[in-house]
Amino acid sequence: NAGVTQTPKFQVLKTGQSMTLQCAQDMNHNSMYWYRQDPGMGLRLIYYSASEGTTDKGEVPNGYNVSRLNKREFSLRLESAAPSQTSVYFCASRIPGQGGVKNIQYFGAGTRLSVL
Amino acid sequence: EDQVTQSPEALRLQEGESSSLNCSYTVSGLRGLFWYRQDPGKGPEFLFTLYSAGEEKEKERLKATLTKKESFLHITAPKPEDSATYLCAVQPYNQGGKLIFGQGTELSVKP
Repeated sequence: NAGVTQTPKFQVLKTGQSMTLQCAQDMNHNSMYWYRQDPGMGLRLIYYSASEGTTDKGEVPNGYNVSRLNKREFSLRLESAAPSQTSVYFCASRIPGQGGVKNIQYFGAGTRLSVL
Repeated sequence: EDQVTQSPEALRLQEGESSSLNCSYTVSGLRGLFWYRQDPGKGPEFLFTLYSAGEEKEKERLKATLTKKESFLHITAPKPEDSATYLCAVQPYNQGGKLIFGQGTELSVKP
């Protein structure tokens, strides 16, 4: 199993450009999450999808939109990129519940984005 | 406001020198506390989940403990390959399973 796959791995944008970060999981997980990681700030939640067909804002949603395309895929879109969105973006997924592998968020390898 | 604070920010140890990392938290209702390891350029890798005060979990040289206000990650006789950033996160109840992370502790173990 590949787990959580993110594309692209690296991206450089100019201010005002748009792009979509892709995330797919092959673990049949219900819930999916987008985080950003900045030096000294830890990981901060941007948006999440508790189940297919639902999305909710996290701590830092401004400037982003998401789409839960199906159970496997959850994309993050930057409509008009700004230098403040330079960061490392991580996607994660989990099965709700408790015990065994349930409730554990599994992370992808990240997308490193620079906005000039 | 739900919040997680990790200390120290950075820790340098000699190989074999045991120590502990601290994670202090405030949360409206704790569903679970998570420890992750993150290597440079990679995504966080799951280590432990703790659900109730008094719970302990071990994996090789690592042991995680939980109280009502904080969690410790004890590292016994560390090796250079234990060098990484260790992340602590809390999961509040009824919020879609989301995690609130601390800033992390960067651990360096020298031979």
